[in-house]
Amino acid sequence: QVQLQESGPGLVRPSEALSLTCTVSGGSFSSYYWSWIRQSPGKGLEWIGYISYSGSTNYNPSLKSRVTISVDTSKNRFSLKLSSVTAADTAVYYCARDNLGENALDVWGQGTLVTVSS
Amino acid sequence: DIQMTQSPSSLSASVGDRVTVSCRASQSINIYLNWYQQKPGKAPNLLIYAASSLQGGVPSRFSGSGSGTDFTLTISSLQPEDFATYFCQQSHSTPFTFGPGTKVDI
Repeated sequence: QVQLQESGPGLVRPSEALSLTCTVSGGSFSSYYWSWIRQSPGKGLEWIGYISYSGSTNYNPSLKSRVTISVDTSKNRFSLKLSSVTAADTAVYYCARDNLGENALDVWGQGTLVTVSS
Repeated sequence: DIQMTQSPSSLSASVGDRVTVSCRASQSINIYLNWYQQKPGKAPNLLIYAASSLQGGVPSRFSGSGSGTDFTLTISSLQPEDFATYFCQQSHSTPFTFGPGTKVDI
Protein backbone atom coordinates (compact mmCIF):
# COMPACT_ATOMS: atom_id res chain seq x y z
CA GLN A 1 0.00 0.00 0.00
CA VAL A 2 1.11 3.53 -0.62
CA GLN A 3 3.13 5.25 2.10
CA LEU A 4 4.32 8.84 2.42
CA GLN A 5 7.30 9.96 4.48
CA GLU A 6 8.32 13.54 5.21
CA SER A 7 11.96 14.47 5.76
CA GLY A 8 13.84 17.66 6.49
CA PRO A 9 15.22 19.85 9.27
CA GLY A 10 13.22 20.18 12.45
CA LEU A 11 14.66 23.58 13.30
CA VAL A 12 14.83 26.59 10.99
CA ARG A 13 16.16 30.06 11.79
CA PRO A 14 13.86 33.06 11.35
CA SER A 15 14.09 34.67 7.88
CA GLU A 16 15.57 31.49 6.39
CA ALA A 17 13.84 28.95 4.16
CA LEU A 18 12.06 25.81 5.31
CA SER A 19 12.60 22.82 3.02
CA LEU A 20 10.84 19.48 3.29
CA THR A 21 10.63 16.44 1.04
CA CYS A 22 7.93 13.78 0.85
CA THR A 23 8.85 10.38 -0.55
CA VAL A 24 6.06 8.23 -1.94
CA SER A 25 6.40 4.47 -1.95
CA GLY A 26 4.23 1.49 -2.74
CA GLY A 27 1.82 3.00 -5.22
CA SER A 28 1.21 5.02 -8.36
CA PHE A 29 2.75 8.47 -8.41
CA SER A 30 1.30 9.68 -11.66
CA SER A 31 -2.42 9.47 -11.02
CA TYR A 32 -2.82 11.92 -8.17
CA TYR A 33 -2.15 15.39 -6.86
CA TRP A 34 0.35 15.67 -4.03
CA SER A 35 -0.33 18.09 -1.21
CA TRP A 36 1.23 19.84 1.74
CA ILE A 37 -0.79 20.72 4.83
CA ARG A 38 0.36 22.14 8.14
CA GLN A 39 -1.13 22.16 11.60
CA SER A 40 -0.41 24.56 14.41
CA PRO A 41 -2.24 25.13 17.68
CA GLY A 42 -3.10 28.67 16.70
CA LYS A 43 -4.34 28.14 13.15
CA GLY A 44 -5.53 24.56 13.03
CA LEU A 45 -5.18 22.66 9.76
CA GLU A 46 -4.03 24.81 6.85
CA TRP A 47 -3.81 23.62 3.25
CA ILE A 48 -0.57 24.89 1.71
CA GLY A 49 -0.94 23.67 -1.85
CA TYR A 50 -0.61 20.77 -4.26
CA ILE A 51 1.33 19.69 -7.30
CA SER A 52 0.46 17.30 -10.09
CA TYR A 53 2.70 14.67 -11.64
CA SER A 54 3.26 17.00 -14.55
CA GLY A 55 4.27 19.85 -12.26
CA SER A 56 1.14 21.99 -12.24
CA THR A 57 0.73 23.74 -8.92
CA ASN A 58 -1.98 25.39 -6.88
CA TYR A 59 -1.03 27.37 -3.77
CA ASN A 60 -2.90 28.91 -0.87
CA PRO A 61 -2.96 32.66 -1.62
CA SER A 62 -2.08 33.38 2.01
CA LEU A 63 1.31 31.74 1.44
CA LYS A 64 1.71 32.03 -2.32
CA SER A 65 4.44 34.66 -2.28
CA ARG A 66 6.65 32.41 -0.13
CA VAL A 67 5.79 28.86 -1.26
CA THR A 68 7.26 26.63 -3.92
CA ILE A 69 6.19 23.01 -4.38
CA SER A 70 8.22 20.92 -6.81
CA VAL A 71 8.19 17.31 -7.97
CA ASP A 72 10.88 14.78 -8.85
CA THR A 73 9.11 12.04 -10.77
CA SER A 74 12.30 9.98 -11.19
CA LYS A 75 12.43 9.52 -7.42
CA ASN A 76 8.69 9.56 -6.64
CA ARG A 77 8.98 12.51 -4.36
CA PHE A 78 7.82 16.08 -4.03
CA SER A 79 9.11 18.98 -2.00
CA LEU A 80 8.04 22.10 -0.16
CA LYS A 81 10.03 25.27 0.17
CA LEU A 82 8.74 28.10 2.34
CA SER A 83 10.88 31.21 2.37
CA SER A 84 11.37 33.98 4.93
CA VAL A 85 9.92 31.98 7.81
CA THR A 86 8.84 33.44 11.13
CA ALA A 87 7.69 31.90 14.39
CA ALA A 88 4.18 31.80 12.92
CA ASP A 89 5.38 29.09 10.53
CA THR A 90 6.13 26.73 13.41
CA ALA A 91 3.85 23.75 12.84
CA VAL A 92 3.59 20.06 12.10
CA TYR A 93 3.91 19.72 8.33
CA TYR A 94 2.15 16.86 6.57
CA CYS A 95 2.36 15.62 3.03
CA ALA A 96 -0.71 13.88 1.65
CA ARG A 97 -2.17 12.33 -1.47
CA ASP A 98 -5.10 14.14 -3.07
CA ASN A 99 -7.44 11.61 -4.65
CA LEU A 100 -8.10 14.03 -7.51
CA GLY A 101 -11.79 13.24 -8.06
CA GLU A 102 -13.10 14.81 -4.89
CA ASN A 103 -9.84 16.41 -3.74
CA ALA A 104 -10.00 14.38 -0.54
CA LEU A 105 -6.70 13.68 1.20
CA ASP A 106 -6.77 9.92 1.38
CA VAL A 107 -3.21 9.05 2.41
CA TRP A 108 -1.07 11.10 4.78
CA GLY A 109 2.50 11.05 5.96
CA GLN A 110 3.16 10.85 9.67
CA GLY A 111 3.99 14.55 9.87
CA THR A 112 7.12 16.39 10.89
CA LEU A 113 7.41 19.19 13.43
CA VAL A 114 9.25 22.24 12.17
CA THR A 115 10.18 24.86 14.74
CA VAL A 116 11.25 28.34 13.70
CA SER A 117 13.60 29.72 16.31
CA SER A 118 16.98 31.35 16.62
CA ASP B 1 -11.87 31.81 1.07
CA ILE B 2 -14.68 29.51 2.16
CA GLN B 3 -14.95 29.49 5.94
CA MET B 4 -15.82 26.24 7.71
CA THR B 5 -17.38 26.07 11.15
CA GLN B 6 -18.10 23.04 13.32
CA SER B 7 -20.35 22.42 16.28
CA PRO B 8 -19.94 21.55 18.98
CA SER B 9 -16.25 22.25 19.56
CA SER B 10 -16.19 19.35 21.99
CA LEU B 11 -18.55 16.76 23.38
CA SER B 12 -18.54 14.07 25.99
CA ALA B 13 -20.07 10.72 25.16
CA SER B 14 -20.10 7.11 26.23
CA VAL B 15 -19.42 3.87 24.42
CA GLY B 16 -22.53 2.91 22.48
CA ASP B 17 -23.82 6.47 22.14
CA ARG B 18 -24.98 7.92 18.84
CA VAL B 19 -22.85 10.98 18.12
CA THR B 20 -23.51 13.77 15.65
CA VAL B 21 -21.06 16.46 14.56
CA SER B 22 -22.13 19.39 12.42
CA CYS B 23 -20.17 21.36 9.84
CA ARG B 24 -21.25 24.50 8.02
CA ALA B 25 -19.70 26.24 5.02
CA SER B 26 -19.83 29.98 4.46
CA GLN B 27 -21.16 29.39 0.95
CA SER B 28 -22.53 26.48 -1.01
CA ILE B 29 -20.00 23.74 -1.65
CA ASN B 30 -22.36 21.23 -3.26
CA ILE B 31 -21.20 17.88 -1.85
CA TYR B 32 -17.48 18.68 -1.80
CA LEU B 33 -17.10 17.99 1.89
CA ASN B 34 -14.74 15.51 3.53
CA TRP B 35 -14.45 14.29 7.11
CA TYR B 36 -11.26 13.26 8.92
CA GLN B 37 -10.50 11.68 12.27
CA GLN B 38 -7.33 12.61 14.12
CA LYS B 39 -5.88 11.00 17.22
CA PRO B 40 -3.19 12.68 19.35
CA GLY B 41 0.22 12.66 17.73
CA LYS B 42 -1.12 11.13 14.51
CA ALA B 43 -2.00 12.42 11.06
CA PRO B 44 -5.64 12.92 10.13
CA ASN B 45 -7.36 9.90 8.59
CA LEU B 46 -9.99 10.23 5.86
CA LEU B 47 -13.38 8.83 6.91
CA ILE B 48 -15.92 10.27 4.48
CA TYR B 49 -15.50 12.00 1.12
CA ALA B 50 -18.01 13.77 -1.11
CA ALA B 51 -20.25 14.32 1.92
CA SER B 52 -21.51 10.74 2.22
CA SER B 53 -19.11 8.26 0.61
CA LEU B 54 -17.37 5.97 3.09
CA GLN B 55 -13.62 5.68 2.55
CA GLY B 56 -12.40 2.11 2.13
CA GLY B 57 -11.61 0.37 5.40
CA VAL B 58 -13.67 2.76 7.52
CA PRO B 59 -16.28 1.07 9.73
CA SER B 60 -19.88 1.39 8.63
CA ARG B 61 -20.89 3.01 11.93
CA PHE B 62 -19.54 6.23 10.39
CA SER B 63 -21.82 8.06 7.99
CA GLY B 64 -22.07 11.49 6.46
CA SER B 65 -24.89 13.55 5.04
CA GLY B 66 -25.70 16.98 3.73
CA SER B 67 -25.19 19.22 0.74
CA GLY B 68 -24.91 22.92 0.02
CA THR B 69 -23.79 24.52 3.28
CA ASP B 70 -24.83 22.12 6.04
CA PHE B 71 -23.29 18.73 6.71
CA THR B 72 -23.35 16.09 9.43
CA LEU B 73 -21.04 13.30 10.53
CA THR B 74 -22.77 10.56 12.52
CA ILE B 75 -21.24 7.76 14.53
CA SER B 76 -24.07 5.30 15.11
CA SER B 77 -22.58 3.50 18.11
CA LEU B 78 -19.46 5.05 19.59
CA GLN B 79 -16.57 2.65 20.14
CA PRO B 80 -13.54 3.15 22.43
CA GLU B 81 -11.28 3.74 19.42
CA ASP B 82 -13.52 6.58 18.18
CA PHE B 83 -12.47 9.02 20.89
CA ALA B 84 -10.62 11.55 18.77
CA THR B 85 -10.94 14.92 17.06
CA TYR B 86 -13.00 15.19 13.88
CA PHE B 87 -12.42 17.77 11.15
CA CYS B 88 -14.43 18.69 8.08
CA GLN B 89 -12.76 20.03 4.94
CA GLN B 90 -14.25 21.67 1.87
CA SER B 91 -12.76 20.66 -1.48
CA HIS B 92 -15.11 22.73 -3.64
CA SER B 93 -12.60 25.46 -4.38
CA THR B 94 -9.06 26.40 -3.50
CA PRO B 95 -7.75 27.25 -1.05
CA PHE B 96 -9.18 24.11 0.49
CA THR B 97 -10.14 24.88 4.09
CA PHE B 98 -10.75 22.90 7.24
CA GLY B 99 -13.10 23.30 10.14
CA PRO B 100 -11.63 23.94 13.61
CA GLY B 101 -12.42 20.43 14.80
CA THR B 102 -14.74 18.66 17.24
CA LYS B 103 -13.14 16.75 20.07
CA VAL B 104 -15.06 13.66 21.18
CA ASP B 105 -14.10 12.40 24.62
CA ILE B 106 -15.50 10.52 27.53
